[in-house]
Amino acid sequence: SQQGEEDPQALSIQEGENATMNCSYKTSINNLQWYRQNSGRGLVHLILIRSNEREKHSGRLRVTLDTSKKSSSLLITASRAADTASYFCATGVNNNDMRFGAGTRLTVKP
Amino acid sequence: EPEVTQTPSHQVTQMGQEVILRCVPISNHLYFYWYRQILGQKVEFLVSFYNNEISEKSEIFDDQFSVERPDGSNFTLKIRSTKLEDSAMYFCASSFGAQTETQYFGPGTRLLVL
Repeated sequence: SQQGEEDPQALSIQEGENATMNCSYKTSINNLQWYRQNSGRGLVHLILIRSNEREKHSGRLRVTLDTSKKSSSLLITASRAADTASYFCATGVNNNDMRFGAGTRLTVKP
Repeated sequence: EPEVTQTPSHQVTQMGQEVILRCVPISNHLYFYWYRQILGQKVEFLVSFYNNEISEKSEIFDDQFSVERPDGSNFTLKIRSTKLEDSAMYFCASSFGAQTETQYFGPGTRLLVL
């Protein structure tokens, strides 16, 4: 089944810097979603981008989707310590499930 | 803002015992899901449920697992005879539409099988 894979596995930056995380997948998708997970907590939905969209913004988040390269990126601008979390991409294909990657662990140092 | 809730937040059980994990999805949502996350690993899809039946399940969701929507609000995951490797965080999610729509996750139930 389709599954997103994030890279890098871990990213450590200073507060105020931008963080970029990437996601690659293997087959055609209907949409791609990014989620955040604070340690030991549930998943919080960030952005959904559909296969016919190329870029989407939400506050300090910018997501791009390149279906020709089967990849997506999540950019967090002007990062804050509170952005420290794991970030996952999840891909939806034709059925009623989503497949998650292993995530990128982002640490933002104050 | 409506949210998905799950009970209990933590459950400890003995190997071989049955457990039922409960979820209350967002009230106007039509699609329901269970995922699990073994400590330090990725979130894995277990099952999706729509119109009172399973619409999709993964290879993890074997005969030991079952799901039910016993009334208009609850959505449950039952593990009949727990194994040590069932220890994980179990997340319920719901969405209004099919997988093209955003799924909203509950806070999870941490299951520990001893």
